[in-house]
Amino acid sequence: EDQVTQSPEALRLQEGESSSLNCSYTVSGLRGLFWYRQDPGKGPEFLFTLYSAGEEKEKERLKATLTKKESFLHITAPKPEDSATYLCAVGGISNFGNEKLTFGTGTRLTIIP
Amino acid sequence: DADVTQTPRNRITKTGKRIMLECSQTKGHDRMYWYRQDPGLGLRLIYYSFDVKDINKGEISDGYSVSRQAQAKFSLSLESAIPNQTALYFCATSDPKRDLYGYTFGSGTRLTVV
Repeated sequence: EDQVTQSPEALRLQEGESSSLNCSYTVSGLRGLFWYRQDPGKGPEFLFTLYSAGEEKEKERLKATLTKKESFLHITAPKPEDSATYLCAVGGISNFGNEKLTFGTGTRLTIIP
Repeated sequence: DADVTQTPRNRITKTGKRIMLECSQTKGHDRMYWYRQDPGLGLRLIYYSFDVKDINKGEISDGYSVSRQAQAKFSLSLESAIPNQTALYFCATSDPKRDLYGYTFGSGTRLTVV
């Protein structure tokens, strides 16, 4: 069974203090690893797709990296508007042969001005 | 207007009542999904539809049913609501020709069953 574990559950940073969020995964037949951002009271917003180990993607202050066992979301010099819950998900193949997406429980990030 | 619209945004209902959550999209995507989100459990797939004639159960479909009325509309029903169905429900769409898992989510329906 596919599993996604995110750590830490919550992280508080001062504005400008860089850090990383971790996503560890096990999946049969990885099709991709995905990062989403979720603001309170809203649906998740797609950020990145990573397909193979060694791949990196960047968007503003965020950079996602991927190895065969985990992914990191690096946040450089964060601002208060980066405060949100960040969700990781892996896409694999279900027992029925269909694609499926398995989500982690997220890391709640708070950036303090 | 939002790409994926869910109605209602909030709903309180009584145990045993039938309730329908609605989702409509303007993305033109064939694939649509219903997820529920619970604290500490993450997002879990209830049902998904790859086109109007193709509907599939997800990992937690018991107690739920769906209807794909058109490419743009996908409804979720709770035939007889129970308190442990209290959760945040999300509809999502995707286009496998562009990015299989680049889902677009709606803003969610917060459902409380009392």
